[in-house]
Amino acid sequence: ETGVTQTPRHLVMGMTNKKSLKCEQHLGHNAMYWYKQSAKKPLELMFVYSLEERVENNSVPSRFSPECPNSSHLFLHLHTLQPEDSALYLCASSQDSSSGYEQYFGPGTRLTVT
Amino acid sequence: TQLLEQSPQFLSIQEGENLTVYCNSSSVFSSLQWYRQEPGEGPVLLVTVVTGGEVKKLKRLTFQFGDARKDSSLHITAAQPGDTGLYLCAGNAGNNRKLIWGLGTSLAVNP
Repeated sequence: ETGVTQTPRHLVMGMTNKKSLKCEQHLGHNAMYWYKQSAKKPLELMFVYSLEERVENNSVPSRFSPECPNSSHLFLHLHTLQPEDSALYLCASSQDSSSGYEQYFGPGTRLTVT
Repeated sequence: TQLLEQSPQFLSIQEGENLTVYCNSSSVFSSLQWYRQEPGEGPVLLVTVVTGGEVKKLKRLTFQFGDARKDSSLHITAAQPGDTGLYLCAGNAGNNRKLIWGLGTSLAVNP
């Protein structure tokens, strides 16, 4: 595998379910991100981890819980979601540099909450 | 609130035509990135511009960063169906990991 991978690619879950999204980066980068992409909205940054430490949490509801066990893996644990949480969830990685934190994205998980 | 406005929002053209899309802000950015996103996939980085007035070329794509580092443009020459996608710009205002994103320009190139 190369680049950034995400699983699953598609997920349908009820509001009472618990599920997890997984992301793995094979680029040797030192930072990982979770973004939410919804129609007619800019990409919303949810969480940032640098060297496994959470450095950014953009007022995300507690029903989203991130986990970063090491610099290559990132999880997003989901529980008691709402229909408005349906969106494309993108994972990205970057390497701190003078070029402005260029993001390398995975293919995303299309989440539908019913 | 820092905003990046992209225009046009939608563009549908015929193969072989030229086009320019814009990314504008009232804020100054230390760097600005352009990405292309195809349906069902994540955005893919095309280029980063850092210096005011900088011009970068990537095959038929020409990127320019405004002199004041508040705006940028992307020009595509002789567009091809493979250029179809959502073009996103993202600015870095404070040299940190939190980028400011535009809504994107959705480009369709018809054969």
